[in-house]
Amino acid sequence: AQSVSQHNHHVILSEAASLELGCNYSYGGTVNLFWYVQYPGQHLQLLLKYFSGDPLVKGIKGFEAEFIKSKFSFNLRKPSVQWSDTAEYFCAVTPSGSARQLTFGSGTQLTVLP
Amino acid sequence: EAGVVQSPRYKIIEKKQPVAFWCNPISGHNTLYWYLQNLGQGPELLIRYENEEAVDDSQLPKDRFSAERLKGVDSTLKIQPAELGDSAVYLCASSPSGGSGELFFGEGSRLTVL
Repeated sequence: AQSVSQHNHHVILSEAASLELGCNYSYGGTVNLFWYVQYPGQHLQLLLKYFSGDPLVKGIKGFEAEFIKSKFSFNLRKPSVQWSDTAEYFCAVTPSGSARQLTFGSGTQLTVLP
Repeated sequence: EAGVVQSPRYKIIEKKQPVAFWCNPISGHNTLYWYLQNLGQGPELLIRYENEEAVDDSQLPKDRFSAERLKGVDSTLKIQPAELGDSAVYLCASSPSGGSGELFFGEGSRLTVL
């Protein structure tokens, strides 16, 4: 079975700082990778996803993530965060071809100070 | 397009009482999921339905939890009797058949067991 590790539980940044949230997964085969975001008081929603092809994927609101197969990583980045990016971020993985076996990491709470 | 609707949003009960949560998925989405989210953790799958068939319920504690999805649309998740450790957020999500793996989540039902 697959698993996901998010090493940063809580990250605090000032506006305009750069962001990188770590995500590592464990699975012996090919995977599909996702980042979901949960803004305060809102439901979980998809930020970006990787299935195949270019390992650098771009999502909504200026976020991007890079899949590094050799490191089993899918880190989330944003060059300049805004106060409105304050939210909880979840990395998730599913085996390719089994899109419905989604496993989530424990999440990273991002707080952006104005 | 209406999103995934869950009710109630909040529920407080005493231990040993029963509780039920309801979910209405996005119209046309054949796959429905119930996830459990404990504080500070990522969502964990309880059960997945393909239409009205439960195809993955390996993580559902069947001694006290039950779920149904009659007619392959709405779903109900029940706990009887509830225990203190059941305090959590219960998330419902749906996805279309043949979809990209993106799940659409409801806002969740927060259960507090006293």
